[in-house]
Amino acid sequence: NAGVTQTPKFRVLKTGQSMTLLCAQDMNHEYMYWYRQDPGMGLRLIHYSVGEGTTAKGEVPDGYNVSRLKKQNFLLGLESAAPSQTSVYFCASSGGNRGQAGYTFGSGTRLTVV
Amino acid sequence: AQSVTQPDIHITVSEGASLELRCNYSYGATPYLFWYVQSPGQGLQLLLKYFSGDTLVQGIKGFEAEFKRSQSSFNLRKPSVHWSDAAEYFCAVGASNYQLIWGAGTKLIIKP
Repeated sequence: NAGVTQTPKFRVLKTGQSMTLLCAQDMNHEYMYWYRQDPGMGLRLIHYSVGEGTTAKGEVPDGYNVSRLKKQNFLLGLESAAPSQTSVYFCASSGGNRGQAGYTFGSGTRLTVV
Repeated sequence: AQSVTQPDIHITVSEGASLELRCNYSYGATPYLFWYVQSPGQGLQLLLKYFSGDTLVQGIKGFEAEFKRSQSSFNLRKPSVHWSDAAEYFCAVGASNYQLIWGAGTKLIIKP
């Protein structure tokens, strides 16, 4: 009954370092999403995927890359972290193309870039 | 342009009082509408959703929402709030390009 699992839960990076956030879902969902959440700005879509091997840009894609090599996993990479990327990152998955079944969210990754 | 507006950034309600959180949307087609709740330090959880049919929909935790097409609204209600309802609430509309369009959220504060 895991749903969506995000790792790590917390991370502190120095400016210029790289890291990968992992999202794994066990619900056989086609659609997966990466969001960032900042105070007063709600949820902003970074990248999303409509199936294995596909990725697409969302609202705020700059500075991030993603990959969906396996249906159950969606990776978010930061090649050269910047303080502006300090945020809470959420992964979500959905079984419908307009979220008909609802999104299932992970518990988030709190990233601080110093 | 497609958008979701939650006019209230914060709402404070006394425990046991009724609650209404407002949501207005702008969307050209028939909307799919959602309310999610986020407890502190947690991800978002689906409260309820509307696709078609009865405009009053029931959700989890005693919440309900009413779709009013003429007002482009989908307000969330609860007859009597509990301290455990303190959280942030997000309204969203399902867009045709695989995405949800999110409101900015309303933070609910419960007074003892």
